[in-house]
Amino acid sequence: AQSVTQLGSHVSVSEGALVLLRCNYSSSVPPYLFWYVQYPNQGLQLLLKYTTGATLVKGINGFEAEFKKSETSFHLTKPSAHMSDAAEYFCAVSEGNNDMRFGAGTRLTVKP
Amino acid sequence: DAGVTQSPTHLIKTRGQQVTLRCSPKSGHDTVSWYQQALGQGPQFIFQYYEEEERQRGNFPDRFSGHQFPNYSSELNVNALLLGDSALYLCASSFGQPNYEQYFGPGTRLTVT
Repeated sequence: AQSVTQLGSHVSVSEGALVLLRCNYSSSVPPYLFWYVQYPNQGLQLLLKYTTGATLVKGINGFEAEFKKSETSFHLTKPSAHMSDAAEYFCAVSEGNNDMRFGAGTRLTVKP
Repeated sequence: DAGVTQSPTHLIKTRGQQVTLRCSPKSGHDTVSWYQQALGQGPQFIFQYYEEEERQRGNFPDRFSGHQFPNYSSELNVNALLLGDSALYLCASSFGQPNYEQYFGPGTRLTVT
């Protein structure tokens, strides 16, 4: 079955610095990959997704992620962090069978 | 356009009791998935309903059951509650099969004492 590992349960960056959240996946078939963000006391919001095609995916709020099959990775980046980016981020993988598997999450803190 | 709505927001139950959680999907969506998110963890897939049938199920015991109504809304039922069932229960809706873009509701926080 598919699975996701998010490296680093907590990441702290300064405002304006690069954000890099790491995600590695395991899948027996070409995967569908997702990044979600969760603000306190809220549900999950889709940031971006990769299904097929271009491996560099652009999402909302200036985030992007690159699918690297050789590295089984789907890391999330943003060139310049904003205070409003502070939240919990989840990477998820699906094999197209409606069973989406989530990582344990990475809490992003942005320092002023 | 209302997004995914869930009720109630919070719920406190005693061990051994039964609970029903409700979800209304985003307008135009016909598929509802349920997830359990324990504190400090990522969501875990419970099951998915499409055309009023359970289409896919995660690794959860039969104490967890569900239903989808003709208007696409859904219920999650949990019987014989255990302390370990305390979690945030998330509902997500989407359109069609298979589906990749799920919209999540705010969740129901269940506490079992």
